[in-house]
Amino acid sequence: QKEVEQNSGPLSVPEGAIASLNCTYSDRGSQSFFWYRQYSGKSPELIMFIYSNGDKEDGRFTAQLNKASQYVSLLIRDSQPSDSATYLCAVGGGADGLTFGKGTHLIIQP
Amino acid sequence: DAGVTQSPTHLIKTRGQQVTLRCSPISGHKSVSWYQQVLGQGPQFIFQYYEKEERGRGNFPDRFSARQFPNYSSELNVNALLLGDSALYLCASRWLWGYTDTQYFGPGTRLTVL
Repeated sequence: QKEVEQNSGPLSVPEGAIASLNCTYSDRGSQSFFWYRQYSGKSPELIMFIYSNGDKEDGRFTAQLNKASQYVSLLIRDSQPSDSATYLCAVGGGADGLTFGKGTHLIIQP
Repeated sequence: DAGVTQSPTHLIKTRGQQVTLRCSPISGHKSVSWYQQVLGQGPQFIFQYYEKEERGRGNFPDRFSARQFPNYSSELNVNALLLGDSALYLCASRWLWGYTDTQYFGPGTRLTVL
């Protein structure tokens, strides 16, 4: 069974600092990797996707993928209070759908 | 363009009843997936449909069924509701299905089973 592991947190980061969120996955054949942000009571919102080893940057967000280590991370630079949310790591796609981790609760302290 | 829409927003049912949830994908998107998210957990995959055919199914009992219509909208049906079916039900839309396609979620339907 495919598994995605995340530290549930809460992860507390001062405003303006870098928040680092991590995720490991069990299926070595996984090809697509996603980060979603979910505010309390709302649905998941796509933040980043990455398919190849290395880094992918989009504004204040950087996704990092290491397939050999089966590890995905999300860096948030210049963290803002509005970044406080649960961040969900998702892996896979295709006919099997996405496999999600339980999410990491991020708190940005003003 | 409108995003993924779902109806109803909230629903309260009693054990043993049946429920139908509805989803309309982003215009031009042909694939719809359904997920269940219980409190404190990540979403769990239930079904995926593409071009009106079931393309994938998660580990859910036969009480759960779905279909996709010619206009690509979709319905999720759950029969014989249990207390454990209380959750946020999410519909996700994407243009095609495949490993490199991203999915966009609707606002969800909050189902409460009493």
